[in-house]
Amino acid sequence: NAGVTQTPKFRVLKTGQSMTLLCAQDMNHEYMYWYRQDPGMGLRLIHYSVGEGTTAKGEVPDGYNVSRLKKQNFLLGLESAAPSQTSVYFCASSWTGTFQETQYFGPGTRLLVL
Amino acid sequence: GEDVEQSLFLSVREGDSSVINCTYTDSSSTYLYWYKQEPGAGLQLLTYIFSNMDMKQDQRLTVLLNKKDKHLSLRIADTQTGDSAIYFCALGPGRRALTFGSGTRLQVQP
Repeated sequence: NAGVTQTPKFRVLKTGQSMTLLCAQDMNHEYMYWYRQDPGMGLRLIHYSVGEGTTAKGEVPDGYNVSRLKKQNFLLGLESAAPSQTSVYFCASSWTGTFQETQYFGPGTRLLVL
Repeated sequence: GEDVEQSLFLSVREGDSSVINCTYTDSSSTYLYWYKQEPGAGLQLLTYIFSNMDMKQDQRLTVLLNKKDKHLSLRIADTQTGDSAIYFCALGPGRRALTFGSGTRLQVQP
């Protein structure tokens, strides 16, 4: 049981390049989330998914797209990377989206956009 | 929206108690969490408290909630060097996700 895994761990992009971050969970969770963490700030929600085939915008969705084609995977895409997207990205999952549920976090992907 | 504030840094000596504080603005939060983030790692849930509780104790951890003052604290007894990390308070529910504070870096000196 690996929990929540993220690929890659670290990436450097040039402005305008695109990339996809992969999040996978093996806990059969319905809900999955993408957060970004910037220095001196808490985590901010980018997008989330309440189940396979569904996605929704979070607090800071601009410049990102997501897809949930399989229940266990949640992909975060950057179509045209900008320096402002330099951040650490965390994926999380939970059984449901209710407040009782613990969110399980992946180890993070560190992204640097030059 | 929700505003969650934490002090940035706390330094304690090994064996002392640590108290990490968090203040918030939205009194409708039902569950309040404490997460720990070690260097280079993701967030790990430490404990949480229901909004109808004043205190919760879990081994070395004590969570205190003052709803009137909208103040949450995490006390770590007998702090060890392995407790050095960033501690985040988080509130829920909120748009199907948690609202996080900016984190408090705890440094434990031997």
